[in-house]
Amino acid sequence: KQEVTQIPAALSVPEGENLVLNCSFTDSAIYNLQWFRQDPGKGLTSLLLIQSSQREQTSGRLNASLDKSSGRSTLYIAASQPGDSATYLCALQYSGAGSYQLTFGKGTKLSVIP
Amino acid sequence: GAGVSQSPSNKVTEKGKDVELRCDPISGHTALYWYRQRLGQGLEFLIYFQGNSAPDKSGLPSDRFSAERTGESVSTLTIQRTQQEDSAVYLCASSLAASGWSTDTQYFGPGTRLTVL
Repeated sequence: KQEVTQIPAALSVPEGENLVLNCSFTDSAIYNLQWFRQDPGKGLTSLLLIQSSQREQTSGRLNASLDKSSGRSTLYIAASQPGDSATYLCALQYSGAGSYQLTFGKGTKLSVIP
Repeated sequence: GAGVSQSPSNKVTEKGKDVELRCDPISGHTALYWYRQRLGQGLEFLIYFQGNSAPDKSGLPSDRFSAERTGESVSTLTIQRTQQEDSAVYLCASSLAASGWSTDTQYFGPGTRLTVL
């Protein structure tokens, strides 16, 4: 069974700081790995999706990397802003789940202090 | 176009009552998923629909939980004889198809927060 772990569970940083969120997984037979942002009452917003054959994806101030061999992904946020405050979820689709459902970590709650 | 919508947004019920949660997926999306997020826990997969059939119900926690989908559109998740441990946010997602390709990304609704007293 796939297990997804996110560290740290919570993080507080001053505005402007660069930061890294970590995600690890136990089964490397993945189709893709996705980072989501979760805001209270607003569901999940997809930030970046990395296919199994890719090493990283970038969107604006966000950069996500994937290392399947070590079972790790990182989400790098540059020049953090108070609006980045949210819970960040790592999720993946893997071949052990027949219906392509997402398997999620518990998330990292980020607070960016003005 | 409209995204995934869910209703109600909040539901408070008494232990032992039945509840129905509704999901309206994005038009044209054949795959539909239900997930549950209990306090302090990650999202858990409940059930998957391809069209109107549910080939994977492996995540349903007990026989008190059931779901259906009609017209390859709306889905309803029903919880019978609710228990306090059913309290959670129930999230619905839809995708164009079911695959590991990025073109079949899952789009999530805002969720229904269920509180069982």
